[in-house]
This record gives sequence, structure tokens and C-alpha cells, in this order.
Amino acid sequence: GENVEQHPSTLSVQEGDSAVIKCTYSDSASNYFPWYKQELGKRPQLIIDIRSNVGEKKDQRIAVTLNKTAKHFSLHITETQPEDSAVYFCAARGAGTALIFGKGTTLSVSS
Amino acid sequence: GAVVSQHPSWVICKSGTSVKIECRSLDFQATTMFWYRQFPKQSLMLMATSNEGSKATYEQGVEKDKFLINHASLTLSTLTVTSAHPEDSSFYICSATDGSQETQYFGPGTRLLVL
Repeated sequence: GENVEQHPSTLSVQEGDSAVIKCTYSDSASNYFPWYKQELGKRPQLIIDIRSNVGEKKDQRIAVTLNKTAKHFSLHITETQPEDSAVYFCAARGAGTALIFGKGTTLSVSS
Repeated sequence: GAVVSQHPSWVICKSGTSVKIECRSLDFQATTMFWYRQFPKQSLMLMATSNEGSKATYEQGVEKDKFLINHASLTLSTLTVTSAHPEDSSFYICSATDGSQETQYFGPGTRLLVL
């Protein structure tokens, strides 16, 4: 089955800096790669997603890139703000329809 | 966007009792629902996939006789934790997709504490 690796597990940046989180997946048949932001005790919130026919997608300060050949995708957050502090999860959808999640990255943005 | 609700939001029970958690899609028909479990400071681990009107598919290591899943309608799936033990204490989150099976919409989660 699908296996998703996510790095780093923790990331601390200064307000205004950029943050990059990287994930790799194992199933070459995976075709959908969402990123979720989860605040303590709450449900994961979809922040951006990308499909396998696209190499890059951007939404304001957030962007995701996908390299199908290398089977990795990354989340880029520019001009970080304290409210960006949360746990971020990448996920991949393999042969079935279930999302398989990475282990998460705790992002801390200090002002 | 699509809304998924869960009930209850939190539950405390005694060891040995059974607990039922409901997951509802409020404004769309969910052909497929998923149940995840999340321990503190860990990721979401898929427990099972349920399709309306058929038996759930459980992930390796998840006991189907302990975690009973029923998906009797296109808007409701239930997870029953039978004979709960303290190690079952966790955050249980459901998600649902519509017929297009694109985006997954997550419920708010149910926090279970077994004493």
C-alpha cells in the first residue's frame, strides 16, 4: 500500500520567513496530494491540493509543487505569520480512495 | 463547502462498555466514508473504509470485531467501539467523499476517554 514520508517533524521560523515542508510517496499510481492544517483539538482543514497532471499550484502565500518522477511534493508558505503556527499534514491518495497521511510537521512562527 | 458532522464531540466511559460514534454528511450524499484514529501528537491513521450498503474494509491491525462500522445510508456511518479499554482512548475522526471521490471532508472529531 501507499506510504507517505514527511519532513521535517518540527520547523521553527521567524515571522516573514518562508517555510518548506517536503513529502515523498511510494505508490506511483497515486494521483491526488492534499495538504491539511490542523490546530490543536480540531479537525484537519484542507489548505491546498494538487493532482498528478499538474506540477505546481499556488494560492496567495501557499504553493505546492509535485515531482511525479521523484515521487515527492512540497508545501511552500511565504511571508509566514504567527497564525500559520499549526501542525501540517501531507497526504496521498493511492489505488483506493482513502488518504494516507504523513506524520505531520509542527510549524512554529515566532514574531 | 460540504459539511460533515460527528456526534458526540467527546465521551467518557468506563472500561468494558461500548461507545457509538455517528458521522453524518449534512448537505451531500457520501458514497464512501473513512474512519481515522489520531493519538496525541501523532498523525491520522486510517482504520477502515466504508461504502454505503456494503461491509467496511479494515486496515491491517484494526480489529473488525472491536470496531464495528455500519454505513446504512448515504448520509450516515457509525463506528462502535466495543468493550472499550483505556488504550482505545483517542481522537476519532471521520471523513466523507461524494460520488466524484475527489476532496475528502472531515468531521470535527470525537474525543474518547476510557477510564
